[in-house]
Amino acid sequence: GAVVSQHPSRVICKSGTSVKIECRSLDFQATTMFWYRQFPKQSLMLMATSNEGSKATYEQGVEKDKFLINHASLTLSTLTVTSAHPEDSSFYICSARDGDRDYGYTFGSGTRLTVV
Amino acid sequence: RKEVEQDPGPFNVPEGATVAFNCTYSNSASQSFFWYRQDCRKEPKLLMSVYSSGNEDGRFTAQLNRASQYISLLIRDSKLSDSATYLCVVTELNQAGTALIFGKGTTLSVSS
Repeated sequence: GAVVSQHPSRVICKSGTSVKIECRSLDFQATTMFWYRQFPKQSLMLMATSNEGSKATYEQGVEKDKFLINHASLTLSTLTVTSAHPEDSSFYICSARDGDRDYGYTFGSGTRLTVV
Repeated sequence: RKEVEQDPGPFNVPEGATVAFNCTYSNSASQSFFWYRQDCRKEPKLLMSVYSSGNEDGRFTAQLNRASQYISLLIRDSKLSDSATYLCVVTELNQAGTALIFGKGTTLSVSS
């Protein structure tokens, strides 16, 4: 089946630094990538949707200059949390859609970010 | 943002019990519906799709009522391994494509 590899699985960084999270589709072409954030005991909240080669579409309330998304190829999307603050500490997870399969949403294993 | 509402939970049941989860969604334009399972600190995994005609997979049965915008999941003969958070998910068309929108989830704890 479709596999999405997400790295790193866990990262601790200092306030003010930037963190890059990568998601790769391993055996399919991900025409669309979704980035979610999940706070403890909360649901996954969609942050942005990106299509390969175009700018990401951000959900209301998500700062595009803080959460930089790059989807430069059909197999790689990155999320960079810039100037991270403790309130950015969360579980970030990507999802890729295999354009050749109906409703082929595959999730990465998630990245747990802790900003200290 | 359109909402997906679920039973607050948690549900604490003994092994062998039958348990039902409910979900309502507010976006009448939603086209597809799913139940996902999420274990603690893990990514969500697709449990099953939900159709108007009903969908059964072993001990799991899902139902969709489009008129009422209501989705259900029934788990029969609960196992310890069923303990997890169950997420009701609908699709929503946005500017960039069709995204999955998640409910907050209902936690199930099955005990021996």
